[in-house]
Amino acid sequence: QQELLESGPRLVKPSETLSLTCNVSNGSISGSIYYWDWIRQAPGKAPQWIGSIYYRGSSFYNPSLKSRVTMSVDTSKNQFSLRLTSVTAADTAVYYCAYDENSYFRYWGPGMLVTVSS
Amino acid sequence: DIQMTQSPSTLSASVGDRVTITCRASQNIRSWLAWYQQKPGKAPKLLVHEASVLENGIPSRFSASASGREFTLTISSLQPDDFATYYCQQYNTFRTFGPGTKVEVK
Repeated sequence: QQELLESGPRLVKPSETLSLTCNVSNGSISGSIYYWDWIRQAPGKAPQWIGSIYYRGSSFYNPSLKSRVTMSVDTSKNQFSLRLTSVTAADTAVYYCAYDENSYFRYWGPGMLVTVSS
Repeated sequence: DIQMTQSPSTLSASVGDRVTITCRASQNIRSWLAWYQQKPGKAPKLLVHEASVLENGIPSRFSASASGREFTLTISSLQPDDFATYYCQQYNTFRTFGPGTKVEVK
């Protein structure tokens, strides 16, 4: 069973870049044939898929966020990361990392609230 | 883009009630649909994938089905642990979640 844990700054200023890391334990990122994803959930809203990345680095993103999103993988640290540029208050959300098994999500991190505010 | 809708947005029910939640896709997504349960402060929990395949460990009072672009999640006899918000998610094209259905105490 994959275990995932998000980490990073909990407060980001408007116009700056949000950077989060997901540490994977109880399994190897490079040992998986599936993808690793970021999903966010604004307060009181439904989850929103951000993007997916394969351990070899190929990725694809939500078209509505694509221009601001970059995901990367570090197999030596067994972790993957998210960068979201030019953030605004609308990017305030709980950010989850998740294991993308056949495009649905069986394993999730506990989530991390990131607030965009000056 | 594929849009997902859910109805109702809120459902008031009592323990023992039969509850049905509907999810509709704006385009054909075949059977590429999952259902999740979410409780406050927790990550969503996968209940169903491929429209009707129940996850291991999910109680048999949960069932799911599909007909064209309409999908349903049914709880045959609502239990206290089932009060939560339920989301559908399509994975035919990218991944999109529905807006959610909150099942609350009547």
